[in-house]
Amino acid sequence: GAGVSQSPSNKVTEKGKDVELRCDPISGHTALYWYRQRLGQGLEFLIYFQGNSAPDKSGLPSDRFSAERTGESVSTLTIQRTQQEDSAVYLCASSLVSGGAYNEQFFGPGTRLTVL
Amino acid sequence: AQKVTQAQTEISVVEKEDVTLDCVYETRDTTYYLFWYKQPPSGELVFLIRRNSFDEQNEISGRYSWNFQKSTSSFNFTITASQVVDSAVYFCALIFLSNDYKLSFGAGTTVTVRA
Repeated sequence: GAGVSQSPSNKVTEKGKDVELRCDPISGHTALYWYRQRLGQGLEFLIYFQGNSAPDKSGLPSDRFSAERTGESVSTLTIQRTQQEDSAVYLCASSLVSGGAYNEQFFGPGTRLTVL
Repeated sequence: AQKVTQAQTEISVVEKEDVTLDCVYETRDTTYYLFWYKQPPSGELVFLIRRNSFDEQNEISGRYSWNFQKSTSSFNFTITASQVVDSAVYFCALIFLSNDYKLSFGAGTTVTVRA
């Protein structure tokens, strides 16, 4: 019933710390996506999961970024040794299946990450 | 290269005026899908409309209408008789067949509707 949820809604961290961002997709949605939105900019694709596997990780900005998905449900985006340039809103989306034409991506409210 | 461009950064109108948002794109794909999303101050993206590249028929849905011109690679979106609740950032996005899971977004246009 519920939409995509993300936690925390806001995260403030110090440079160099690790953070974990969580996404709960809509129940039954097999495809899950992470995007990043920097202030005043459009969304950048980070990674996409079909089930628990990630066929495309090409959008991850560096090896400090990783993501996993378990049980074809929850996904966690981890940023290690955070830098100030990682400050952004991280948005998660899910769709019934992958293949974008008519498989609308439903977005969560995002996690606003601030790295001091 | 595949690219989505929204040249208008900000638009400000008075309530009841019409607002047209421009979107142009570059692709070598012959099959692609076009979207408009709205991002209100709450931050959550809301799906508005979707078209595919084979269908250039322009339609109206309530106060929303769109003008897809494949010849000029443009997919413009119009809000008729704008309301204060229409104030938001509007994003044009495409899915290209070569990456059919990845939405490619424009930078967004901030629309402010004043009462």
